[in-house]
Amino acid sequence: AQSVTQLDSQVPVFEEAPVELRCNYSSSVSVYLFWYVQYPNQGLQLLLKYLSGSTLVESINGFEAEFNKSQTSFHLRKPSVHISDTAEYFCAVSSNDYKLSFGAGTTVTVRA
Amino acid sequence: DAGITQSPRHKVTETGTPVTLRCHQTENHRYMYWYRQDPGHGLRLIHYSYGVKDTDKGEVSDGYSVSRSKTEDFLLTLESATSSQTSVYFCAISRDSNYGYTFGSGTRLTVV
Repeated sequence: AQSVTQLDSQVPVFEEAPVELRCNYSSSVSVYLFWYVQYPNQGLQLLLKYLSGSTLVESINGFEAEFNKSQTSFHLRKPSVHISDTAEYFCAVSSNDYKLSFGAGTTVTVRA
Repeated sequence: DAGITQSPRHKVTETGTPVTLRCHQTENHRYMYWYRQDPGHGLRLIHYSYGVKDTDKGEVSDGYSVSRSKTEDFLLTLESATSSQTSVYFCAISRDSNYGYTFGSGTRLTVV
């Protein structure tokens, strides 16, 4: 099974500032990569995913993530955050074995 | 998500009692999963199913059993609940690894 490391457990950020959440995974021949978001007292929602093709993937609400195979990373970024982006974010990896391995999560707190 | 429901949403039980959590889907997805979420650990896989009556263990399966007699239902049973099983339990479904997972809203279980 894959192991996933999210390098920051807590990220405080001011509104309209940029944010980057870091994610590294153990190497494998091929992987599928995901970012999920969890708002307070809710389940997880898929934010974006990388399956193949362009290494830069985007979500509909302004987040983007870049797959870097040589560094085995899949960092998540947003150029300008809103209060509503306050949530916990999880990086997840699958090696085509139909099981996702999750990182420990990064809590993003956006302050006015 | 409307296609997956978990019951109950909250439960308090006593140490040593059996507990069953239910996950029901209307998406006809082949794969179903049970995860537990604990602070600092992210989500950890308990058991998963890849078809009716086909199940396998995840990384934290001790003390848990599962059953899947129908495509739409996946039951998680704690045979004799312990305080270490106090957690939030999430069910997820997937068509295959390319699509990621859809999560239920979670069950908050407290063992006293």
